[in-house]
Amino acid sequence: EAQVTQNPRYLITVTGKKLTVTCSQNMNHEYMSWYRQDPGLGLRQIYYSMNVEVTDKGDVPEGYKVSRKEKRNFPLILESPSPNQTSLYFCASSWGLGGGSGANVLTFGAGSRLTVL
Amino acid sequence: DAKTTQPNSMESNEEEPVHLPCNHSTISGTDYIHWYRQLPSQGPEYVIHGLTSNVNNRMASLAIAEDRKSSTLILHRATLRDAAVYYCILRDYAGGTSYGKLTFGQGTILTVHP
Repeated sequence: EAQVTQNPRYLITVTGKKLTVTCSQNMNHEYMSWYRQDPGLGLRQIYYSMNVEVTDKGDVPEGYKVSRKEKRNFPLILESPSPNQTSLYFCASSWGLGGGSGANVLTFGAGSRLTVL
Repeated sequence: DAKTTQPNSMESNEEEPVHLPCNHSTISGTDYIHWYRQLPSQGPEYVIHGLTSNVNNRMASLAIAEDRKSSTLILHRATLRDAAVYYCILRDYAGGTSYGKLTFGQGTILTVHP
């Protein structure tokens, strides 16, 4: 089944303890991105990656890092989490440029709910 | 960034049609209009997308204004399972800024009454 898999789905951690949320897709997609969702603020993009070793900032990148060493994986790293990073996180992927109109369609993961105490 | 504007919320009765509007006055010629929805406790899922012509699929229809500055997602017969947050976004298929950097906003919360 074509899917985007995020882990962990739920995590409670403490301020300052580094954590990584993994995202993996099995569709050979070139494009991947991370979003956070907060009440009243909708979905906001954190980082995106157009392809392996190519990453760029979204609207709210502060406090986050990403890497794209292989096509299928796009981990989100919180080096020193703070309570304001308590949120619901989504990873998404799509084909890259030049793949036709259907290539632009995003597939989302089920979400990772993070609580930072 | 290409931006869209949607009403915060809309209500409908079951089995009635629903028209969800989206304004995108700064749309560029290479921007596709995408609609996604997010059911409670789930990740967003794709609904429909289009460029210039109206589009139909098994889930919905997309009506695009002639000047492309607005569009409407049409659910022909709303069911209780259609209650969700609906997002309209623009995505540049030619590789412009709004191909990678995407702005979803808050979307429209659709409530469907039995």
